[in-house]
Amino acid sequence: EGVLTQSPGTLSLPPGERATLSCRASQSVGHGYLIWYQQKPGQAPRLLIFGTSSRATGIPDRFSGSGSGTDFTLTISRLEPEDSAVYYCQQYGSSPLYIFGQGTKLEIK
Amino acid sequence: EVQLVQSGAEVKKPGESLKISCKDSGYRFTNSWIGWVRQMPGKGLEWMGSIYPGDSETRYSPSFQGQVTISADKSINTAYLQWSSLKASDTAIYYCARQREGSSTSFGYWGQGTLLTVSS
Repeated sequence: EGVLTQSPGTLSLPPGERATLSCRASQSVGHGYLIWYQQKPGQAPRLLIFGTSSRATGIPDRFSGSGSGTDFTLTISRLEPEDSAVYYCQQYGSSPLYIFGQGTKLEIK
Repeated sequence: EVQLVQSGAEVKKPGESLKISCKDSGYRFTNSWIGWVRQMPGKGLEWMGSIYPGDSETRYSPSFQGQVTISADKSINTAYLQWSSLKASDTAIYYCARQREGSSTSFGYWGQGTLLTVSS
């Protein structure tokens, strides 16, 4: 069974800085099958990035995804207070079919 | 605009049965995968299973196979998640989510979540 490991567990940065969130897969991820979601407290998750690097509708270009194989990164530039959330990576196509990482909590302060 | 509207919060006792719902306001219900995702208190996201309402094909995570049943009624654009005998460990928020247009690799639309509390 595949596993996605996210790091760090918690990241605290001031506004205006850049955040780098890591997602490492236990098995190679198929092309385009790495996804990122944002979840704010009390809300449902929201799709941020699909196909490793494509932004979902309405997502600002401050958010970017990259990576291949087993190592992937979500980068958030020019941090804003509203970016405070938990960020999850997700892999498609392994067993189980959709695998989520354990999440990285981003605090902007 | 696609909207997934889930049924309301539930409080149940161990051993009871339950069926929660997810109504899709979109026009692609029969041609899109609908998944169910569990979030236990203070924890991350876990995919439970998905259904393709067009032909009712279902896929389950091995962790949830046999523990829950996923179904759909395409005449009313509604998907369901069902338990026959609840346990305290089923306490969680359950989200339904629909695939992004054109690809089943990610969930582009999410319901608001249904909070289930199982307690004696």
